[in-house]
Amino acid sequence: NFMLTQPHSVSESPGKTVSISCTGSSGIIGSNYVQWYQQRPGSAPTTVIYEDNQRPSGVPDRFSGSIDSSSNSASLTISGLKTEDEADYYCLSYDSGRWVFGGGTKLTVL
Amino acid sequence: EVQLLESGGGLVQPGGSLRLSCAASGFTFSSYAMSWVRQAPGKGLEWVSALSGGGSATDYADSVKGRFTISRDNSKNTLYLQMSSLRAEDTAVYYCVKTIGEVVTGIPVSWGQGTLVTVSS
Repeated sequence: NFMLTQPHSVSESPGKTVSISCTGSSGIIGSNYVQWYQQRPGSAPTTVIYEDNQRPSGVPDRFSGSIDSSSNSASLTISGLKTEDEADYYCLSYDSGRWVFGGGTKLTVL
Repeated sequence: EVQLLESGGGLVQPGGSLRLSCAASGFTFSSYAMSWVRQAPGKGLEWVSALSGGGSATDYADSVKGRFTISRDNSKNTLYLQMSSLRAEDTAVYYCVKTIGEVVTGIPVSWGQGTLVTVSS
């Protein structure tokens, strides 16, 4: 079964840049789009990146997405970190009739 | 503005049934596939099911296949999830999610606030 693996947690200081990885268990990344969702404590998820690197309206350009097909991985990069970016982040992709989420990464901004 | 309002959650005994509803507004409901995603307490997100805009195509996670049925009433702008043979591991917040296309493989992008389902005796 297809799986997406994310680091359990990352931390960085305000104003810095952080990247969160999402690695596929098979060669799906690059063949199917990857999405990224932000979930703040006690709130519903929101979409920050869809179709690998597209930002929904209202999402600041500090958020960017990229794909590295050679390593079967996707990355979410957040620049100019703010304390409000502290949240859980999930990647999502599609394979063989089902959507698969990564396990989530807790971002701490300290 | 897209608005998705889930309802129907609550406490149900193992083996019981429950139907969730999601009232949609702010977009042409029949033109978009819809999904259900759940989150067990303290856990990550799990995709549950998807339904095409016209209602003819469905997908289900293996964990719910044969027990859950997704449906929609485009005249009422409402999405449903009929859940039966419920288990303790189905306890979760269930989110209704709008996708960016009509087909069942549409990418989930707009989320409701969720409704809590608790399966316990």
